[in-house]
Amino acid sequence: AQSVTQLDSQVPVFEEAPVELRCNYSSSVSVYLFWYVQYPNQGLQLLLKYLSGSTLVKGINGFEAEFNKSQTSFHLRKPSVHISDTAEYFCAVSKSGGFKTIFGAGTRLFVKA
Amino acid sequence: DSGVTQTPKHLITATGQRVTLRCSPRSGDLSVYWYQQSLDQGLQFLIQYYNGEERAKGNILERFSAQQFPDLHSELNLSSLELGDSALYFCASSVGTSEHYEQYFGPGTRLTVT
Repeated sequence: AQSVTQLDSQVPVFEEAPVELRCNYSSSVSVYLFWYVQYPNQGLQLLLKYLSGSTLVKGINGFEAEFNKSQTSFHLRKPSVHISDTAEYFCAVSKSGGFKTIFGAGTRLFVKA
Repeated sequence: DSGVTQTPKHLITATGQRVTLRCSPRSGDLSVYWYQQSLDQGLQFLIQYYNGEERAKGNILERFSAQQFPDLHSELNLSSLELGDSALYFCASSVGTSEHYEQYFGPGTRLTVT
């Protein structure tokens, strides 16, 4: 069975600093990987996804993630964060034929001025 | 705005009661998913429907049931409510059943059981 581990529950960072949110997954088959963001009092929205091809995936709002098959990781990065990036970020994994997407526990990113 | 609508936005009810949460997917989306989000359990997948048929089941309790209607809207029914059912319930939709389709989430229904 597949699972997702987000290694940090909270990440505080200063404005304009770089950030990396870590995600590891476990699955014995090829997977599809997603990062979603949840702003306060809102539903989740997709930041980016990896289906196949290039391991570096670019998403909205300046975020990018790198798929590393050997390390079974899909870390999310942004070179310079803004206050408005304060939100909860969810890593998710699904697999072909699996019908359901498994979400990680979430990482709360807190950007300080 | 994701295009997914959920009603009501907030619901306060007592233990033992029954409630119905409603979801309208984005125009053209055939799949509907239900999730429960709570502080202790995180985001839990409950159930998925595709074009009226149940497609996948997650950690859904027997007290909970769902259906998708011919117009593709979906309802989640929660019965014999317990304090622990207090949570944010999200509906999401996607174009098809394939796992590589992204899901579009509604704003959620906050259920409080007292």
